[in-house]
Amino acid sequence: EVQLVESGGGSTQPGRSLRLSCTASGLTFDDFGMQWVRQAPGKGLEWVSGVSWDGATKGYSDSVKGRFTISRDNAKNSLYLEMNSLRPEDTALYFCAKTRGYSGSSDDAFDIWGQGTMVTVSS
Amino acid sequence: SYVLTQPPSVSVAPGQTAKITCGGNNIGSKSVHWYQQKPGQAPVLVVYEDSDRPSGIPERFSGSNSGYTATLTVSRVEAGDEADYYCQVWDSDSDHHVFGTGTTVTVL
Repeated sequence: EVQLVESGGGSTQPGRSLRLSCTASGLTFDDFGMQWVRQAPGKGLEWVSGVSWDGATKGYSDSVKGRFTISRDNAKNSLYLEMNSLRPEDTALYFCAKTRGYSGSSDDAFDIWGQGTMVTVSS
Repeated sequence: SYVLTQPPSVSVAPGQTAKITCGGNNIGSKSVHWYQQKPGQAPVLVVYEDSDRPSGIPERFSGSNSGYTATLTVSRVEAGDEADYYCQVWDSDSDHHVFGTGTTVTVL
């Protein structure tokens, strides 16, 4: 069974940092692009960042560019999101998702999702 | 930036057909994907590339895309179809993935 499990969420203050992780199992991890998508409480889905199968191509939404960094370690079947200079508006449930293809920046759908990890930014 | 507009809510009686629209500028030239999200759960892909269904998704779920509107159709609606539905595209101009505003489907 293909599974994605996120971790690393928690409560923190504005301006601080957090690192999210997503561990994959049941698939050949380095065959696929990966994404981070977030959902603020009671709100819709918002794409955050994506990365290609080899980590070479990365993309970010305008709201996180320059503050968040996506990376992956294929040897550990893991995806990461380093979040710096956190703001209250970053408060959300963060999902990792697998792309159907190898790219992180293409029109491929997100076919497998984790259950999410909650990030709360408040003073 | 590219915007996808969905109706906030759609109500449908059991056994009837629900149509959920997703409007965007020349969306017919893009590949549209649809996700179902039930309360407290992660999204699930129900239609990809306008009209294809992943393995395990019932044939009752179908999609179309033309001009300025993409549509997800749920036939013979069941109580278990009650959920939020989101459309999504890749915007090559901005190199961003974009989600629609989301539609809550209520089964009467």
